Amino acid sequence: NAGVMQNPRHLVRRRGQEARLRCSPMKGHSHVYWYRQLPEEGLKFMVYLQKENIIDESGMPKERFSAEFPKEGPSILRIQQVVRGDSAAYFCASSTGQSSYEQYFGPGTRLTVT
Amino acid sequence: QKEVEQNSGPLSVPEGAIASLNCTYSDRGSQSFFWYRQYSGKSPELIMSIYSNGDKEDGRFTAQLNKASQYVSLLIRDSQPSDSATYLCASKGSGGGYQKVTFGTGTKLQVIP
Repeated sequence: NAGVMQNPRHLVRRRGQEARLRCSPMKGHSHVYWYRQLPEEGLKFMVYLQKENIIDESGMPKERFSAEFPKEGPSILRIQQVVRGDSAAYFCASSTGQSSYEQYFGPGTRLTVT
Repeated sequence: QKEVEQNSGPLSVPEGAIASLNCTYSDRGSQSFFWYRQYSGKSPELIMSIYSNGDKEDGRFTAQLNKASQYVSLLIRDSQPSDSATYLCASKGSGGGYQKVTFGTGTKLQVIP
């Protein structure tokens, strides 16, 4: 019973490049959440998605960041024109639905912008 | 703004002692509360959920909820060095439909051998 999967686990990008982070939810889960965590800081909510729908993107920066969760395939968090301040750990979590608030986290993607 | 507050620590306890981790929340209507454990460099791991006033026990862990005082705690009995981690408290907001889960910034626990 595979857990939440994220890839890549580590990603290095130069300033100005694009970063694509992927998340496959746990089997049976159709709700995905993305969080960002800076070193020694708390989790910051970014976006909540269901299949083909963005439910809450109140934590997403207005520019350069986008997320999707297509009907088929993983959820993708896309960061365009990365800057050094984007360097962080990005975690994906999944749950079975709105009535189940227990979120299970993937291993994270560590993004480093050089 | 709905908030979850935790003392950042570190909280140091000797091996074998009881570690008590505390959390307060601002949304009086919150119904669901969670404790996550996060080892350094790793992702958060759900260890306890609690929805009703009172205590909920799971092995060495006991979660306590007091809605009147807007207070949630996690007790770890017989603390082990392997329990050394950051513990995150989270709550789901009140109201029907979708409500965001809000995380505290975490309490760092150090268990001294």
